[in-house]
Amino acid sequence: AQTVTQSQPEMSVQEAETVTLSCTYDTSENNYYLFWYKQPPSRQMILVIRQEAYKQQNATENRFSVNFQKAAKSFSLKISDSQLGDTAMYFCAFTPPYNFNKFYFGSGTKLNVKP
Amino acid sequence: EAQVTQNPRYLITVTGKKLTVTCSQNMNHEYMSWYRQDPGLGLRQIYYSMNVEVTDKGDVPEGYKVSRKEKRNFPLILESPSPNQTSLYFCASSQERPSSYNEQFFGPGTRLTVL
Repeated sequence: AQTVTQSQPEMSVQEAETVTLSCTYDTSENNYYLFWYKQPPSRQMILVIRQEAYKQQNATENRFSVNFQKAAKSFSLKISDSQLGDTAMYFCAFTPPYNFNKFYFGSGTKLNVKP
Repeated sequence: EAQVTQNPRYLITVTGKKLTVTCSQNMNHEYMSWYRQDPGLGLRQIYYSMNVEVTDKGDVPEGYKVSRKEKRNFPLILESPSPNQTSLYFCASSQERPSSYNEQFFGPGTRLTVL
């Protein structure tokens, strides 16, 4: 079974500081897609950033960037200059190479940004 | 406005009473999927559909049925709901199967309680 592990159930960060959320996954294949989703208190699921496994360059979207370590099967999310609006649950997810129709999520990390 | 809609948003029902949660998208997407979200487990895929009349099981299909008779609609059917199906349900769609090129758009969620 494909698994995605987020080992930090909850984290806190001061406004304007940087925080890193960790994610590891389990696959023996070479090509797959990785994602980070944000779920604010409104419950809406919002795509934050995405990464193709065969691309070595780490994806970046404004204040959000990833550290993709393929050999270590690690896909961490860095949030720079944290803002109060970043307070949310963050889910790591991936599609396995044997079936890109399937989608697997981690258990989530609750991020609290403090003023 | 491009969107995925779900109805109802909230539902309280009793064990064994058949129910349907509707999902509709107005983006002409081929791929649609249902997830359930439970605390500590993240989101888990129930069923997905690659196109009209083409559906397949996700990770947790037991106790659920789906159909895809029209491209825009993908209802989730619980023939005989049980308390362990109490959960937050999300429908999602994307142009094709999710990847770094095809963003998956989520509906607002349906909170289901089975007594």
